[in-house]
Amino acid sequence: GENVEQHPSTLSVQEGDSAVIKCTYSDSASNYFPWYKQELGKGPQLIIDIRSNVGEKKDQRIAVTLNKTAKHFSLHITETQPEDSAVYFCAALTPPRADKLIFGTGTRLQVFP
Amino acid sequence: DTGVSQNPRHKITKRGQNVTFRCDPISEHNRLYWYRQTLGQGPEFLTYFQNEAQLEKSRLLSDRFSAERPKGSFSTLEIQRTEQGDSAMYLCASSFESRATEAFFGQGTRLTVV
Repeated sequence: GENVEQHPSTLSVQEGDSAVIKCTYSDSASNYFPWYKQELGKGPQLIIDIRSNVGEKKDQRIAVTLNKTAKHFSLHITETQPEDSAVYFCAALTPPRADKLIFGTGTRLQVFP
Repeated sequence: DTGVSQNPRHKITKRGQNVTFRCDPISEHNRLYWYRQTLGQGPEFLTYFQNEAQLEKSRLLSDRFSAERPKGSFSTLEIQRTEQGDSAMYLCASSFESRATEAFFGQGTRLTVV
């Protein structure tokens, strides 16, 4: 079945620096890749997603890139702020199973002021 | 609040007891999902409903687990004869059928089995 690997498991950056989190998926048929942010005591919140027909998507300080050939996708956060501190999860969806997200193991991002 | 609502937020139970959690999805959403998240891990799929029909169950969902969505609105997840290994955060999510990729999660129910 589909497997999603996520690196690094922890990431510490200075406020204002950029942060990059990388994920690799195993099933080349996967076609949807969301990213979730989970703050302490809360459920995951969808922050950005990308579909397999697009190579890059940007939303203000957040961007996601997808390399289908290498089966890699990455989350880029620029100009990090302390409120970006959270656990970030990547996930993948593989048709025809458009109902079950396979999550990575998470990256704990700490942004120091 | 129009988001996904889960109750209770926390549950501590003794091993062997039964527990039941409730999820109220976003009102227009006809798909409802249950995930389990253990410490330091990403959420793992347990089961999902389309309206009142339970369409898939993960092999993680042993016969001690049962989920229902009797009227296609709220859902309950029951765990019978709880074990310490059941300790986890149980997350509910909902979506439109036509936009199943955009699932919105609730805040979860944290279960501790002692």
